[in-house]
Amino acid sequence: SQKIEQNSEALNIQEGKTATLTCNYTNYSPAYLQWYRQDPGRGPVFLLLIRENEKEKRKERLKVTFDTTLKQSLFHITASQPADSATYLCALDTGRRALTFGSGTRLQVQP
Amino acid sequence: DGGITQSPKYLFRKEGQNVTLSCEQNLNHDAMYWYRQDPGQGLRLIYYSQIVNDFQKGDIAEGYSVSREKKESFPLTVTSAQKNPTAFYLCAAGGSGGPQETQYFGPGTRLLVL
Repeated sequence: SQKIEQNSEALNIQEGKTATLTCNYTNYSPAYLQWYRQDPGRGPVFLLLIRENEKEKRKERLKVTFDTTLKQSLFHITASQPADSATYLCALDTGRRALTFGSGTRLQVQP
Repeated sequence: DGGITQSPKYLFRKEGQNVTLSCEQNLNHDAMYWYRQDPGQGLRLIYYSQIVNDFQKGDIAEGYSVSREKKESFPLTVTSAQKNPTAFYLCAAGGSGGPQETQYFGPGTRLLVL
């Protein structure tokens, strides 16, 4: 079956450390992968898009990697801050003209 | 949330009642989307529309209906056939290029059953 998996357990890290979140998928061959941030009770906000021919994408403290062989994307936040605490969602191109979202991973950055 | 408005913020539905959730955008995007989010879950696609007067079913369309008569509006009706409608409903808009386009989300409507 086709699946998008993100760690359902919350990730707790100390302020200043690097947070690494994982998005694994099976039976898809996405041309694009996107990451969104969602705060409680609010709509998701776009962070980064990476294409299948790109290994890595950076934006300020954020970095995304995309390994089409492993069928995995890693999302890194360096020098994490309490304000980075949120749920992070990955979303894939799954062959239709709409994204398919993972269930998200909640990140908690402790001061 | 900029440019996407959803109303109401909270909506209560009685058993057997149809209710309509409003979504309006001023971003001039061709594509619009409706998602459902249950507690602790990701977003599941209900319906999407790439262009006016055209829309496609998503993964969980049963019990829902939509219309796209204007580019800026994409209302969602939760019908009485939807037996478990309690959820957070999110509307989004984006370019018609599909998955390569950024999606912009509204603030959401929380639907509760009385």
